[in-house]
Amino acid sequence: DGGITQSPKYLFRKEGQNVTLSCEQNLNHDAMYWYRQDPGQGLRLIYYSQIVNDFQKGDIAEGYSVSREKKESFPLTVTSAQKNPTAFYLCASGPGTGNNEQFFGPGTRLTVL
Amino acid sequence: GQNIDQPTEMTATEGAIVQINCTYQTSGFNGLFWYQQHAGEAPTFLSYNVLDGLEEKGRFSSFLSRSKGYSYLLLKELQMKDSASYLCAVRPTKAAGNKLTFGGGTRVLVKP
Repeated sequence: DGGITQSPKYLFRKEGQNVTLSCEQNLNHDAMYWYRQDPGQGLRLIYYSQIVNDFQKGDIAEGYSVSREKKESFPLTVTSAQKNPTAFYLCASGPGTGNNEQFFGPGTRLTVL
Repeated sequence: GQNIDQPTEMTATEGAIVQINCTYQTSGFNGLFWYQQHAGEAPTFLSYNVLDGLEEKGRFSSFLSRSKGYSYLLLKELQMKDSASYLCAVRPTKAAGNKLTFGGGTRVLVKP
């Protein structure tokens, strides 16, 4: 089955710890994206990558880092510098060109205690 | 900057029709998307408009007016399962990896 997977579904961390969220896709998409969603709000773009070994900051990149070593994978690290890390994190992928929509993974709910 | 506005919440009755409006002011325009998101789940694609007019897909229709910076999503014959948030998103440009800018979402509650 083609799709996007994110793991884990729920994640708990202590304040001050870095944590890495995984995102894998087997849709052969060039572009991948990370969004953050806070309760009752829309999606805000953290980072995106158009191609392997390249990525760009989105609107709220501070306190986050990413890598894109493989086409299929785009992990997000939430660092201790992120002031309010508790949120729902969504990964998406898309062709990167043309009119096609982005496809979303199931999300990871991160709670920092 | 980019600005996309939607109502926060709407309530409607099962079997009725609901229209969710979206207005946008963006640096460019290269398409508008509507997504449905049930609580705690991933958004799923509903519709795409890039030219003016109405796109119909079963019980869902989406309309676009580029000159007015305006779109709406029309949900007909509402069912209880349509209770969800509906997200309007604009693609300002096809460059830069087809990034989308999202509105805050409209939560629709369908009552029996």
